[in-house]
Amino acid sequence: GDSVTQMEGPVTLSEEAFLTINCTYTATGYPSLFWYVQYPGEGLQLLLKATKADDKGSNKGFEATYRKETTSFHLEKGSVQVSDSAVYFCALSGNYGQNFVFGPGTRLSVLP
Amino acid sequence: DAGVIQSPRHEVTEMGQEVTLRCKPISGHDYLFWYRQTMMRGLELLIYFNNNVPIDDSGMPEDRFSAKMPNASFSTLKIQPSEPRDSAVYFCASSPISVFTEAFFGQGTRLTVV
Repeated sequence: GDSVTQMEGPVTLSEEAFLTINCTYTATGYPSLFWYVQYPGEGLQLLLKATKADDKGSNKGFEATYRKETTSFHLEKGSVQVSDSAVYFCALSGNYGQNFVFGPGTRLSVLP
Repeated sequence: DAGVIQSPRHEVTEMGQEVTLRCKPISGHDYLFWYRQTMMRGLELLIYFNNNVPIDDSGMPEDRFSAKMPNASFSTLKIQPSEPRDSAVYFCASSPISVFTEAFFGQGTRLTVV
């Protein structure tokens, strides 16, 4: 079945450092790909998405590119802030039935 | 729209008691999902509905768990009897029919079974 693998962390960075969180997927067909963010005590919020190969999703300085050849959707940000501290989930939506498959989440802590 | 609404936000109950979690999806969304989140197991899909019909309940951990969606604007997740290992945050999410659209999550219900 469909699956998502991502680095589990935790990841600890200093403010203004570069961030990469790796995500790879296994799916049949052409899934849509998503990054969600979860702040403490809250639900998951969509951060960005890409619905076809080579699409780049971006939001709040975060970016991820849908790479079909490597089945990857790595999350990047050039300069993280303390307020980016959260758990980040990579997810896919398969095209055989509307189901969402989530990775295990990566906890990010940004230190001032 | 107010988003996905879950109630209660927090629930503390004694082992053996029945617990009912409630969810109101976003109007017009065809899909509704129930997830459970724990530190040990992460985010697990329990069950999802399409147009009020359960499609996949393979994630429901055991017969103590049941979910219903009597109409398009309301769903419940019931645990009877509850056990301490059921303590977790339970999320409800909804989504429109398009595979290109994300799932929208509620704020979650934090369940503690003592």
